[in-house]
Amino acid sequence: DAGITQSPRYKITETGRQVTLMCHQTWSHSYMFWYRQDLGHGLRLIYYSAAADITDKGEVPDGYVVSRSKTENFPLTLESATRSQTSVYFCASSDPLAGSSYNEQFFGPGTRLTVL
Amino acid sequence: DAKTTQPPSMDCAEGRAANLPCNHSTISGNEYVYWYRQIHSQGPQYIIHGLKNNETNEMASLIITEDRKSSTLILPHATLRDTAVYYCIVRALNTGGFKTIFGAGTRLFVKA
Repeated sequence: DAGITQSPRYKITETGRQVTLMCHQTWSHSYMFWYRQDLGHGLRLIYYSAAADITDKGEVPDGYVVSRSKTENFPLTLESATRSQTSVYFCASSDPLAGSSYNEQFFGPGTRLTVL
Repeated sequence: DAKTTQPPSMDCAEGRAANLPCNHSTISGNEYVYWYRQIHSQGPQYIIHGLKNNETNEMASLIITEDRKSSTLILPHATLRDTAVYYCIVRALNTGGFKTIFGAGTRLFVKA
């Protein structure tokens, strides 16, 4: 199906485990983003990617690793999960046109991660 | 990117216009105003954006003051499905990867 998808939608893991959250988009958007949203708060940017093999840190990158070997995929890995990483994770993509302000971000449905 | 200030919550009667204010007094000349909304744990959804002129689309209208220090999102005929958190964001076109900084937003309750 066209769009942006995330998997899994729900995940429960234990402290110290490695967890990978998947994000896939079918639009060939150049930019992809990972946000986390904690209860009652807005979204905070973890990492973003401007193109395949190009990634950069956002506001809260510590404890996370990303990669982007293909344009359509942008996995987020928690190498050693901690309880403070319990959150809802949203992936987004955008395809800003040169010289245009229209760089709307399209968001996935989110992954609810609980670290016990 | 400039910081925005929004009221934490607002109520609106169904069928009435919902007017959501946003202050962005430190906005720069090259920064646009964007509005997104998030309906109950779903991913945020783009609504509208503008630079200095008022804008309207099928979802809403955006009124930006002449000095650009504040704006108002207008939902002309609010429905129960418009109950959501609304985020006002300002950002320039090229800001280190088009990063979007979301604040706490305004929680709009549309009541029957």
